[in-house]
Amino acid sequence: AQKVTQAQTEISVVEKEDVTLDCVYETRDTTYYLFWYKQPPSGELVFLIRRNSFDEQNEISGRYSWNFQKSTSSFNFTITASQVVDSAVYFCALKDAGNMLTFGGGTRLMVKP
Amino acid sequence: GAGVSQTPSNKVTEKGKYVELRCDPISGHTALYWYRQSLGQGPEFLIYFQGTGAADDSGLPNDRFFAVRPEGSVSTLKIQRTERGDSAVYLCASSLTNGVGGGNEQFFGPGTRLTVL
Repeated sequence: AQKVTQAQTEISVVEKEDVTLDCVYETRDTTYYLFWYKQPPSGELVFLIRRNSFDEQNEISGRYSWNFQKSTSSFNFTITASQVVDSAVYFCALKDAGNMLTFGGGTRLMVKP
Repeated sequence: GAGVSQTPSNKVTEKGKYVELRCDPISGHTALYWYRQSLGQGPEFLIYFQGTGAADDSGLPNDRFFAVRPEGSVSTLKIQRTERGDSAVYLCASSLTNGVGGGNEQFFGPGTRLTVL
């Protein structure tokens, strides 16, 4: 069965620090997709990125970057030069042959000024 | 364009009552999903619609929960004989497709916070 683990339940950093959120997944399928979502205090889940299992290239989007490593079943998310507005709960999710997203438990990121 | 909308945003009901939660997906999205999020946890899958039919209802916790999507757009999640343990945020999401390939990212609505007293 599929599973997503986000071992860090809460992280606190000071503004401008870099921070990495860890995500480890389990699936028996060879074709799957990985996602990151942001859930700010307002509550709405915001889609950040999707990666498929055949594309291990790292991706950078502004201050955000993602490191996908199939060898360790990890899909980590780094925020460079964090800002207070980055404070939120971040969820990693997996979609394999099943119809649904399987979410990790989330990491609460607090960025202090 | 408009995102996924859900109504009501908050619903307070008494134990044993019946409730309906509504989801209006992004126009043109054929796939629609319901999830439930308890405090401090990630969303958990309830049911998935492809068009009008429930293609996967394996996440529904019991037969008190039911969902419909009669015209392939708006969906209603129905909960009978509500229990205190049903209290959670119910999230709806939609996507262009569900399978492999592009377009399967799910976009979420703001959720309905259900409180059963």
